Amino acid sequence: KQEVTQIPAALSVPEGENLVLNCSFTDSAIYNLQWFRQDPGKGLTSLLLIQSSQREQTSGRLNASLDKSSGRSTLYIAASQPGDSATYLCAVELWGGSEKLVFGKGTKLTVNP
Amino acid sequence: NAGVTQTPKFQVLKTGQSMTLQCAQDMNHEYMSWYRQDPGMGLRLIHYSVGAGITDQGEVPNGYNVSRSTTEDFPLRLLSAAPSQTSVYFCASRVTGTGAGQPQHFGDGTRLSIL
Repeated sequence: KQEVTQIPAALSVPEGENLVLNCSFTDSAIYNLQWFRQDPGKGLTSLLLIQSSQREQTSGRLNASLDKSSGRSTLYIAASQPGDSATYLCAVELWGGSEKLVFGKGTKLTVNP
Repeated sequence: NAGVTQTPKFQVLKTGQSMTLQCAQDMNHEYMSWYRQDPGMGLRLIHYSVGAGITDQGEVPNGYNVSRSTTEDFPLRLLSAAPSQTSVYFCASRVTGTGAGQPQHFGDGTRLSIL
């Protein structure tokens, strides 16, 4: 059974700091890995999607990497801002085209002004 | 461009009552799904559908029913509400058949409390 773990569960940093969020998964047979952002009381917003054949994706100040062999992904946020404060969720889509997502429990990020 | 729309946003039920959570998408996505989010548990898949007339169970299907009569709508029915079903429910959709490069789109959720 695929399990997804996110460390740390919570992170507090000063504004301007570069930071890394970690995600690990137990089964490397994945279709893709997605990073989502969730603001309090809101739904999930897709940030980056890395296909199984890719190693990384970038969008603005965000960079996500994928190492299938080790079962790890990282989300790098450059020059963090208070507006980046949110919960970040990692999810893997299971191989076989079922399109089911298995989620980690998230990392709650607080960026202090 | 509405995306995925969930109604209602909030609901309080008594144990034993039934209700339907609505989900509609205007992106002509074949794949739709329902997740529940509980503190300390993450999001868990309840039911999903790969197209009109086709549904299947996810990880936590007990106590829930779904049907898919149109591409746009995927309602989730609670047959006899129990306090354990107090949760935040999210509906998601995605286009299928285009490979692994398309993200799933989520609604804003329905916050359900069962007393």
